[in-house]
Amino acid sequence: AQKVTQAQTEISVVEKEDVTLDCVYETRDTTYYLFWYKQPPSGELVFLIRRNSFDEQNEISGRYSWNFQKSTSSFNFTITASQVVDSAVYFCALSATGAGSYQLTFGKGTKLSVIP
Amino acid sequence: ETGVTQSPTHLIKTRGQQVTLRCSSQSGHNTVSWYQQALGQGPQFIFQYYREEENGRGNFPPRFSGLQFPNYSSELNVNALELDDSALYLCASSLDVARGTDTQYFGPGTRLTVL
Repeated sequence: AQKVTQAQTEISVVEKEDVTLDCVYETRDTTYYLFWYKQPPSGELVFLIRRNSFDEQNEISGRYSWNFQKSTSSFNFTITASQVVDSAVYFCALSATGAGSYQLTFGKGTKLSVIP
Repeated sequence: ETGVTQSPTHLIKTRGQQVTLRCSSQSGHNTVSWYQQALGQGPQFIFQYYREEENGRGNFPPRFSGLQFPNYSSELNVNALELDDSALYLCASSLDVARGTDTQYFGPGTRLTVL
């Protein structure tokens, strides 16, 4: 069975601060995919990034960066110089090859509030 | 904009009624997945349709059923509605589940309220 844990329920930061969202996952599959989605108040889940289990190279995209560590089963997400528009609920998700449907297993989400 | 559309946006039903939610997948995508998101929770997988056949199901009772049409659009039907069915229902489309690597892109969701 797959499991995703986002221990941080809510985080508040002042604009321009850096913030890291934590994600820990559990799976018995050797091949799996990790995702981050953003859900603004409108409700639509917006895809941010996907990483494969065999590619631990960390990635930076603009103000976003991701730190994937298989040794600790973590896939953390950092926003640099946060902005008010970053305020949303962020979900970490996992899909594994053990289930042919590649269903997504989500964490409970971290609500980020960026205060001007 | 993902190109995934859902209708209706909001829906209010009473306990015991039946409801049908609709989803149009992104152009070229043949796989549709449905998720239920209760307030304050992460989405929970309901089921997935691939080329008009059910291709995986989460821990939901049989009163949750679905269809996928030849144009790959999909419906989610819920019979005998219960108060706990109140949630945001999200549809996601992906290019081809057989590839195993495709990202799921979500629609805006349908907010269902059961009174």
